[in-house]
Amino acid sequence: QKEVEQNSGPLSVPEGAIASLNCTYSDRGSQSFFWYRQYSGKSPELIMSIYSNGDKEDGRFTAQLNKASQYVSLLIRDSQPSDSATYLCAASTGGFKTIFGAGTRLFVKA
Amino acid sequence: DAGVIQSPRHEVTEMGQEVTLRCKPISGHNSLFWYRQTMMRGLELLIYFNNNVPIDDSGMPEDRFSAKMPNASFSTLKIQPSEPRDSAVYFCASSPRDRGMNTEAFFGQGTRLTVV
Repeated sequence: QKEVEQNSGPLSVPEGAIASLNCTYSDRGSQSFFWYRQYSGKSPELIMSIYSNGDKEDGRFTAQLNKASQYVSLLIRDSQPSDSATYLCAASTGGFKTIFGAGTRLFVKA
Repeated sequence: DAGVIQSPRHEVTEMGQEVTLRCKPISGHNSLFWYRQTMMRGLELLIYFNNNVPIDDSGMPEDRFSAKMPNASFSTLKIQPSEPRDSAVYFCASSPRDRGMNTEAFFGQGTRLTVV
């Protein structure tokens, strides 16, 4: 079993819609969770971090964490074509280790 | 701050040659990670350091791979001898620690390695 799992997609949504990206993790000791965006040929860049159960909102982005279900999600409201990218979920234990999922490709159609 | 700096950006080498990838982390960050990214396997953690000490190298695929961090501002990943299946993008990332937890990892631009 992979430590961080994501649906590889592609996920296709129309412009203006809500994109929902999901991730599960296997290590119950994970304490920090991150969503990164990676454009083709570029390096990953952080969108959101979340450390406690519940929702965290930042502009058009909302991260949700449920530690009991070992589940992390990212919602993108009012999706734009510029949001088209691969979204990587990552989980980190207290022991320094940060593991990434394989990523979900998102296409936002204009 | 200039961010995480990796060199070279691109490397093409022949099978059997030694390859050395270099990384300068962000000043003040005490964790450093080496990742490898391929289409098939995604972003794989190879090794990570904390305060210049290797913590876990279980992701290093073979003995042909080695990594060092002689000081807080420099790390290398060496492949000797290189093989075509080592072709990938290699990322270095650094991260500060806050209250004992990892915070955001900042990535370098990556080194695209092609072994022919």
